[in-house]
Amino acid sequence: DGGITQSPKYLFRKEGQNVTLSCEQNLNHDAMYWYRQDPGQGLRLIYYSQIVNDFQKGDIAEGYSVSREKKESFPLTVTSAQKNPTAFYLCASSMRTGGNTGELFFGEGSRLTVL
Amino acid sequence: AQKVTQAQTEISVVEKEDVTLDCVYETRDTTYYLFWYKQPPSGELVFLIRRNSFDEQNEISGRYSWNFQKSTSSFNFTITASQVVDSAVYFCALSERAGGYQKVTFGIGTKLQVIP
Repeated sequence: DGGITQSPKYLFRKEGQNVTLSCEQNLNHDAMYWYRQDPGQGLRLIYYSQIVNDFQKGDIAEGYSVSREKKESFPLTVTSAQKNPTAFYLCASSMRTGGNTGELFFGEGSRLTVL
Repeated sequence: AQKVTQAQTEISVVEKEDVTLDCVYETRDTTYYLFWYKQPPSGELVFLIRRNSFDEQNEISGRYSWNFQKSTSSFNFTITASQVVDSAVYFCALSERAGGYQKVTFGIGTKLQVIP
């Protein structure tokens, strides 16, 4: 079945360590996104990518980095510079052209806890 | 700037009651899309409905119905005869063209608890 796969589902990290969250999609979507979810704050956009080898900062990009070397993959690295990294991270994808309405398809999320 | 307000952070209802989740949005564009997503405890957001700004027809899908009113910038969601499986967090979202892509803004979500 087509969809978005995020891994790991749960991740624990010590302060000062970088961690990379994986996101893979087989929907043949051009655009991919990373959102952060915190209680009472909804979803906030970290980074997005409309095509391979190109990505843009979202509203809260500080302390995060991404790459888009393949259409199917959009990994997110949470660096030690991120001051409050404990959160639920959601990856999403969408069509970029041909009637893109902004409808997003989501993975199941990765919960990161910093110890 | 676009904004989505979901004033109800948590709602509890008894099974079989009807419940309405409110969503108010702000945008300067004339062309935009509105969405509702459901987030069950598993975490994945599930698409429920999309409405474009030129289509104000209300929609019904089974026990779900949506009321879109441009005059009040609202896109409310009603669940009729609620069931325990409806317990989830529901997000309203607004999508509009910005800088060459469809920028999506989410509300903070409404947590619905349906009590058996």
